Amino acid sequence: GQSLEQPSEVTAVEGAIVQINCTYQTSGFYGLSWYQQHDGGAPTFLSYNGLDGLEETGRFSSFLSRSDSYGYLLLQELQMKDSASYFCAVNTGGGNKLTFGTGTQLKVEL
Amino acid sequence: DTAVSQTPKYLVTQMGNDKSIKCEQNLGHDTMYWYKQDSKKFLKIMFSYNNKELIINETVPNRFSPKSPDKAHLNLHINSLELGDSAVYFCASSQRTSMSTDTQYFGPGTRLTVL
Repeated sequence: GQSLEQPSEVTAVEGAIVQINCTYQTSGFYGLSWYQQHDGGAPTFLSYNGLDGLEETGRFSSFLSRSDSYGYLLLQELQMKDSASYFCAVNTGGGNKLTFGTGTQLKVEL
Repeated sequence: DTAVSQTPKYLVTQMGNDKSIKCEQNLGHDTMYWYKQDSKKFLKIMFSYNNKELIINETVPNRFSPKSPDKAHLNLHINSLELGDSAVYFCASSQRTSMSTDTQYFGPGTRLTVL
């Protein structure tokens, strides 16, 4: 089967840096994506890694190590509006099929 | 300028009823998806269509039937609704189907409550 594990909850203070880890075990792998979802909202795309290494997009960076089946999302200069759920998702192939992780609830405090 | 829209936003119905959820995208994308998000926020793909052709069909009860009249629309019909169908259903679209990963754009979701 497919499994993507993430911490269920992370709490950090405004202005800090937080890392959300994702370990995966899937039958196919064509890249790791990260999505953000605010309460009551829709998932929105944040970042994608197709190859090993770091991808940076503004305050957000994402890292992938395919040999370790591991990735993380790094959020810098945290803001209150970053409080949301964050999901890693693996493209397991077969028509851009995304298998989502269990999700991490990030709470940003003053 | 809504990219992916769904109707209705909320749907409350009795067990045993049949209901439909509609989805439309104006992004010109070829591929559309239906996802189910349960109360624990677990997001799971149900179906995917590429240019009106079914390409992903996960292990979903056959009470769920997707219909794609054209590549901009993907509707979801659910027969004989059960309590366990209560969830948020998201429609999504992406530019093309390929072995690389294309960003998926999600609609606002339809919260279905079965009483």
